[in-house]
Amino acid sequence: DAGVIQSPRHEVTEMGQEVTLRCKPISGHDYLFWYRQTMMRGLELLIYFNNNVPIDDSGMPEDRFSAKMPNASFSTLKIQPSEPRDSAVYFCASSGGSSGGRETQYFGPGTRLLVL
Amino acid sequence: DQQVKQNSPSLSVQEGRISILNCDYTNSMFDYFLWYKKYPAEGPTFLISISSIKDKNEDGRFTVFLNKSAKHLSLHIVPSQPGDSAVYFCAATHFGNEKLTFGTGTRLTIIP
Repeated sequence: DAGVIQSPRHEVTEMGQEVTLRCKPISGHDYLFWYRQTMMRGLELLIYFNNNVPIDDSGMPEDRFSAKMPNASFSTLKIQPSEPRDSAVYFCASSGGSSGGRETQYFGPGTRLLVL
Repeated sequence: DQQVKQNSPSLSVQEGRISILNCDYTNSMFDYFLWYKKYPAEGPTFLISISSIKDKNEDGRFTVFLNKSAKHLSLHIVPSQPGDSAVYFCAATHFGNEKLTFGTGTRLTIIP
């Protein structure tokens, strides 16, 4: 299995530009998670989906952030407009069904975003 | 408010010795705890977990201890090896919740 795939791996953009991060979860997994990693706050959950439906988006910082999951094999995280404080590593993870939170989450390699 | 805290940003340990990584939590609803390991330029990978019905779980060189009354858990690595150099994240959740709450991580460096 290829694991969770994220693209791009690196993104450098200018403040005010739109940024789109992409994720392909592991086939057969029905949960998908978006995280952001910063030095100050560690790994923060932004949003997660179950069967393509957003379940909890309470971690999304503000309206500039949006996430979609149009089908079971693809999700996007969009930032519009981007700001320098959005610079971080963004991870996508997926897990294979519910054991009440006991299922292992498998992470992608991350997208390192730098907003100038 | 950080519900899962890793107060040591970094730790250096001699190869062959024991590494002890600590984690504290504040939410008494948490009943399942995990450790993830992260190498540079890679995503975190699951290492070991423990349920609140236990106070210890062992997997090879890795042991996690849970002290519920102190809301504290620790990861012991014995003996430490150079390949253990990584960032370790503590995470917590409660039954019925797919959401993991992570700490800020501890960077472990094993000195040969």
